[in-house]
Amino acid sequence: QVQLQESGPGLVKPSQTLSLTCTVAGGSISSGVYYWGWIRQPAGKGLEWIGRIHPSGSTIYNPSLKSRVTISVDTSKNQFSLKLSSVTAADTAVYFCASCSGWVFDYWGQGTLVTVSS
Amino acid sequence: EIVLTQSPGTLSLSPGEKVTLSCRASQSVSNSYLAWYQQKPGQAPRLLLYGASSRATGIPDRFSGSGSGTDFTLTISRLEPEDFAVYFCQQYGSSSTYSFGQGTKLEIK
Repeated sequence: QVQLQESGPGLVKPSQTLSLTCTVAGGSISSGVYYWGWIRQPAGKGLEWIGRIHPSGSTIYNPSLKSRVTISVDTSKNQFSLKLSSVTAADTAVYFCASCSGWVFDYWGQGTLVTVSS
Repeated sequence: EIVLTQSPGTLSLSPGEKVTLSCRASQSVSNSYLAWYQQKPGQAPRLLLYGASSRATGIPDRFSGSGSGTDFTLTISRLEPEDFAVYFCQQYGSSSTYSFGQGTKLEIK
């Protein structure tokens, strides 16, 4: 069973770039079985899909975030990463990474809280 | 973008009761691309159903799903104490994008 773990700073200043990494265990990120995605959840609110990446490097982003999001993959480290630029307080949320078998998110990381504050 | 609307926002029920949760889409969703998740406080969501009605690995058969087009439902036939949580629907649609409903919270009466 695939296991995922998010890591990165828990506090980011406004206007800076949020950077998170997801480490995958229990399977190769480049196997092609899964896509790899990011989802976020502000406190007490619903889930917002951010984007996904295929091991080949092809990406699809949420149109509402597309101008600020970059997702990349490092197959040598079995990791994929999220960068969100020009953050504001509205980007404060728990960020989850997940495996995506095409159209559902099968396995999730535990989530990491990122707070945007000066 | 397809918007998913879940109702009701909160339900107060007792263990042993049957419950049906609703997920309505702003445009037609292919049955294959509608999923349901359960989320407990402080935890990541867990996949319950995919393809509108297929249970994910390890999901008890008291969970069932149905629907087509724009109207989908999740039914729990007999609530267990561990079923009190928030439930989200999710769709995968045109342009290979995803969206989630805002969630329905099941709380113990």
